[in-house]
Formats: sequence, C-alpha cells, structure tokens
Amino acid sequence: EAQVTQNPRYLITVTGKKLTVTCSQNMNHEYMSWYRQDPGLGLRQIYYSMNVEVTDKGDVPEGYKVSRKEKRNFPLILESPSPNQTSLYFCASRDLDVQYFGPGTRLTVT
Amino acid sequence: ELKVEQNPLFLSMQEGKNYTIYCNYSTTSDRLYWYRQDPGKSLESLFVLLSNGAVKQEGRLMASLDTKARLSTLHITAAVHDLSATYFCAVDRDDKIIFGKGTRLHILP
Repeated sequence: EAQVTQNPRYLITVTGKKLTVTCSQNMNHEYMSWYRQDPGLGLRQIYYSMNVEVTDKGDVPEGYKVSRKEKRNFPLILESPSPNQTSLYFCASRDLDVQYFGPGTRLTVT
Repeated sequence: ELKVEQNPLFLSMQEGKNYTIYCNYSTTSDRLYWYRQDPGKSLESLFVLLSNGAVKQEGRLMASLDTKARLSTLHITAAVHDLSATYFCAVDRDDKIIFGKGTRLHILP
C-alpha cells in the first residue's frame, strides 16, 4: 500500500531536549516536505527536499533541521525545542502533481 | 512574496444548497491544489490545477483556475452533510508551497 508514515504520532517533551520525528514514504517520490499546522494559520511549510542531499527552506524553517540521506526518509530534527514549536506536524511526499500526506505528529513542548 | 487568501474562513450552509469557496493568490504559480481535512485527520488531495481555464470535477465538487485573475474556486453543488470538513487551497511556486488558512465548512441537515 502506498503510504507516508510518521513516528511518533504523539510526543510530549520538555524545552531543550533534542528530538527527531521520522518520515518515510514507499512511493519512490523525489519530493518530500514538512509542514506544521496551527489553529487559524493553516499549514506552513518548514522544509522541503527535491531529492537526496537536496533540501530547501520553506516559510518557517527557524528552529528546525532536516536531512535527506535516502530517498525514502526525510526526518525532522528539533535540536532545542521550545514551547512555540508545539504544533501538529505533517510530512508529505509528491509525485509529479499529487501530494500525499502522512498521518501527522502531535508535538507538545512544555 | 507569495500569499494565499481563502474566503470565507467559515461557512455554515443547508443541505441541498450551492456555494463557492474562493482562493486568491498574489503571484504566478506552477500548480494550485485543493485539499480536504476531516477533524483529527490528515489531508486528502482533491484536485490539482495546472493551467489557465482548468476545471476539474469530482462528485459534487468542482474546482476551476483563472491564472490571469490569480483566482481558484471550489464550487459545491447540492451540498450533503458528508461534505462537512475543512478545505484548503495551496499554491506551488518553484516547489515552495503556501497554503491558505482553510475554509471550515459545516453543512446542516
């Protein structure tokens, strides 16, 4: 089954404790992206990747890092999480035109 | 800077009625997307519009694109309760994707 998976689905952590949210797709897509969704703000793109070893900043990259060492994986790294990074995070991958979203990761930073 | 505005942000309507959601964007784009999100769920792709005059339809939903006016519309025909959800448009320019804030659609039986 074609899918985008994210782990963990839920995470509560404390300020400053490094964390990684994993994202994996099994559709051999070159393009992958991370978004955060906040009430009243819609989705905002954090980073995207056109292919292995190619990443670019989206609209709200501050406080986040990504890497793309393999085509299928695109982890999101928060080196020192802060409470304003409490949000719902979505990973997505895209073929030519259609973007497929993962199930989401709800992150709370206290 | 690419900006995307959706109107209205909230819409409550009766079953059987027609209505339109508008999506305006500020600069040229490569693709325009429409998505549906149910409460607590992920996003589901509805339509991708690529060129001026493009029109796509799926069931009671029809999306169109006017690149000259930088406007896309999502038209709902004879609404049914199952269409209650939040609808997002998103614009892709040079692979950077900007979303509108979403239209929360509530259809009353």
